[in-house]
Amino acid sequence: EDKVVQSPLSLVVHEGDTVTLNCSYEVTNFRSLLWYKQEKKAPTFLFMLTSSGIEKKSGRLSSILDKKELFSILNITATQTGDSAVYLCAVEIIAGGTSYGKLTFGQGTILTVHP
Amino acid sequence: DVKVTQSSRYLVKRTGEKVFLECVQDMDHENMFWYRQDPGLGLRLIYFSYDVKMKEKGDIPEGYSVSREKKERFSLILESASTNQTSMYLCASSFPGPRAHEQYFGPGTRLTVT
Repeated sequence: EDKVVQSPLSLVVHEGDTVTLNCSYEVTNFRSLLWYKQEKKAPTFLFMLTSSGIEKKSGRLSSILDKKELFSILNITATQTGDSAVYLCAVEIIAGGTSYGKLTFGQGTILTVHP
Repeated sequence: DVKVTQSSRYLVKRTGEKVFLECVQDMDHENMFWYRQDPGLGLRLIYFSYDVKMKEKGDIPEGYSVSREKKERFSLILESASTNQTSMYLCASSFPGPRAHEQYFGPGTRLTVT
């Protein structure tokens, strides 16, 4: 059974802190790993990672994948209150040689940033 | 801007009722998905569709069915609602192939079954 596990499940920090969110996975037919941010409503796409060791960066957010150890981390530096959200990790699976975008999600990490 | 809309933000239904959740996307996406989101469990895939009239079971299809008669519309049906189907339901859509992972989500429908 495909499994994606995130840790910690929740995190409370103060503005300016740096946080690291973890995602480990055990899946067959891995294609990519994705990070989403979910505020009050719909998740929004942050990063897609397919290759080990290549950092993806967007402003204060960065992410990296280790396909040997089967995990990814999402770093947020100089956190702001607007970073408060649920961060979701998902793994894309290939079925029958084709990707239909079938994603298996982790439980999510609830990040709260206090002023 | 991609828009994925869902017919209701909040819905309250009684046990045993038939429930329809509608999802419409305006980006001509081939792929459409239905997830449910529960605390501590993340998002779980119920069904997905990669073309009109095509459907595939996800990880938790029991108690649900779907319909895709038009490319832009994907319906989730609870044939006989039960209290354990109380949840947040999220619809998503994407292009096929290399961009299939880039899913655009609707705002969600919070369903309560009493």
